[in-house]
Amino acid sequence: SYELTQPPSVSVFPGQTARITCSGDALPKKYVYWFQQKSGQAPVLVIYEDIKRPSGFSERFSGSSSGTMATLTISGAQVEDEADYYCYSTDFSGHYWVFGGGTRLTVV
Amino acid sequence: EVQVVDSGGGLVQPGRSLRVSCTGSGFIFGDYAVNWVRQAPGKGLEWVGFIRAKAYGGTTEFAASVKGRFTISRDDSKGIAYLQMDSLKIEDTAVYYCSRDGFDYWGQGTLVTVST
Repeated sequence: SYELTQPPSVSVFPGQTARITCSGDALPKKYVYWFQQKSGQAPVLVIYEDIKRPSGFSERFSGSSSGTMATLTISGAQVEDEADYYCYSTDFSGHYWVFGGGTRLTVV
Repeated sequence: EVQVVDSGGGLVQPGRSLRVSCTGSGFIFGDYAVNWVRQAPGKGLEWVGFIRAKAYGGTTEFAASVKGRFTISRDDSKGIAYLQMDSLKIEDTAVYYCSRDGFDYWGQGTLVTVST
């Protein structure tokens, strides 16, 4: 079965840049979506189609993708950015979708 | 105002069935695919499946873990999509979320507990 791999945790100081990676064999051909989930809440879309940001969402969030790795970058991370972040994409067939295991971002 | 609301969760015994609903309003429900995602207690997000809009055949796709046990249907006249869960297992215990295609609007989640 297809898998997306994320680091379990990332930690930065306030104001630093946080980078969360997501690797998968099909990423050179398939879009990645990124979601933010805070405790007890539904997920929120932060990046879609690799690099696009939903209207109204903070410009501190950006996405990139190169080869088999996609990256979510949070510039000038703030305490309120602390959350779990998940990447999401599909396998080569486009029929099976999967989330990465999630990365807990700590801003301390 | 666009809204998506999940409902229908509850406690069910292993091997039994349960149907949860996803109700959309404030947009043309039939124009969108509907996704189902679940999250077991203390675990990450897991894709369950989706149903395409009728314009794209209204067909469904499912994760291997639920294929053959779960089905998704839709009634666009009512703005509702259904996740029918049969032969439930203890490991199906989770909060179930629906979202419209594009993932810009999500339901609040509905808890399904499979237990004796």
